[in-house]
Amino acid sequence: GAGVSQSPRYKVAKRGQDVALRCDPISGHVSLFWYQQALGQGPEFLTYFQNEAQLDKSGLPSDRFFAERPEGSVSTLKIQRTQQEDSAVYLCASSLFRLSGESDQPQHFGDGTRLSIL
Amino acid sequence: AQKVTQAQTEISVVEKEDVTLDCVYETRDTTYYLFWYKQPPSGELVFLIRRNSFDEQNEISGRYSWNFQKSTSSFNFTITASQVVDSAVYFCALSEENRDDKIIFGKGTRLHILP
Repeated sequence: GAGVSQSPRYKVAKRGQDVALRCDPISGHVSLFWYQQALGQGPEFLTYFQNEAQLDKSGLPSDRFFAERPEGSVSTLKIQRTQQEDSAVYLCASSLFRLSGESDQPQHFGDGTRLSIL
Repeated sequence: AQKVTQAQTEISVVEKEDVTLDCVYETRDTTYYLFWYKQPPSGELVFLIRRNSFDEQNEISGRYSWNFQKSTSSFNFTITASQVVDSAVYFCALSEENRDDKIIFGKGTRLHILP
């Protein structure tokens, strides 16, 4: 596709439910990033993949958060036993290379998934 | 530690006025990258500029210009002759050379351009 695609666009879940958020990066992009953006805040880094390898998951707020990218393309961010504080917009980004490596290719962001936990 | 501060939470200007968005950063690295992103109401983050810490030349792109001052750790963004379509939240961000897997964003400045 032309850009990074995220689905669903909106997700409402009851506290305690599990949710799965999908990211379809730009075809051929090696790097994939997940960010969490709380209301009125800037995006905060969650995790980073280079192909299928998860190289950094230091930003995941708890062990209820899990991300995967098994074939090096589509990625899923899963949140188990959701809590109200998980309510946020979850942004996915992809880039051709590393974020600020050999190329000037910027990170391309999707529109995000707005998650609301009731 | 890395930190990006955007002191202006919200700015309103009348169309055609010039407006400058401030950004101050902290990093211990000598090599780093600075960014500006625009987030319109649709939510998507739109890349505007990436600047290497070794390149202090100011840059102009149409109505947009950026002033990188390493001495004051600032990377300010100016929109000349603002337009209503410029209304958005603007984020300044930083990444470090040895940790180029993550961007540290500021909290953003919400810009309102009034017709």
